[in-house]
Amino acid sequence: SQQGEEDPQALSIQEGENATMNCSYKTSINNLQWYRQNSGRGLVHLILIRSNEREKHSGRLRVTLDTSKKSSSLLITASRAADTASYFCATVSNNDYKLSFGAGTTVTVRA
Amino acid sequence: EAQVTQNPRYLITVTGKKLTVTCSQNMNHEYMSWYRQDPGLGLRQIYYSMNVEVTDKGDVPEGYKVSRKEKRNFPLILESPSPNQTSLYFCASSFGGSTEAFFGQGTRLTVV
Repeated sequence: SQQGEEDPQALSIQEGENATMNCSYKTSINNLQWYRQNSGRGLVHLILIRSNEREKHSGRLRVTLDTSKKSSSLLITASRAADTASYFCATVSNNDYKLSFGAGTTVTVRA
Repeated sequence: EAQVTQNPRYLITVTGKKLTVTCSQNMNHEYMSWYRQDPGLGLRQIYYSMNVEVTDKGDVPEGYKVSRKEKRNFPLILESPSPNQTSLYFCASSFGGSTEAFFGQGTRLTVV
């Protein structure tokens, strides 16, 4: 079942700007993961944050997790044209340990 | 190179003609799964397998079958495809259901 919901659905920014997208979910989680998908291609794992972590960094990516609000955010700093893609959050619940994906945020970075 | 390989990448078929989409991984992962991706719906899990000979239904299993006879392979079978199964399909593998998943490049299926 779909658990994560990303917001906004689409985002258009200028190269060099930061991009922020949010994910909300419904049930308690074991961890939350972010994936990137370039047009029509397979998903690529970006970062995993566990339920007992609040913030995680990987290069230009910063992920936060607020379990009290059941939400997460992904920040891409100093965006590049190559960051143009769809970004998905995926939650792993404590009930079934399966990945449940949201519908994604489409990010367009303008040169 | 660590990878998940799906075949074919593109397939157009007619209603009712049985087809199989193959998936193979070379990372010795126990967990494999199939997803379908439709516009506005994200990825929905069809079936998953926790190990050889262990498979279970995901969220949208109707009209699909799978098998896991070897650890590396997890084919998706459509016994009698229908137009509502037109979609983009992804195979994924991981060490466990809760860990980082590696995805294949996708199979775009059109059923006419």
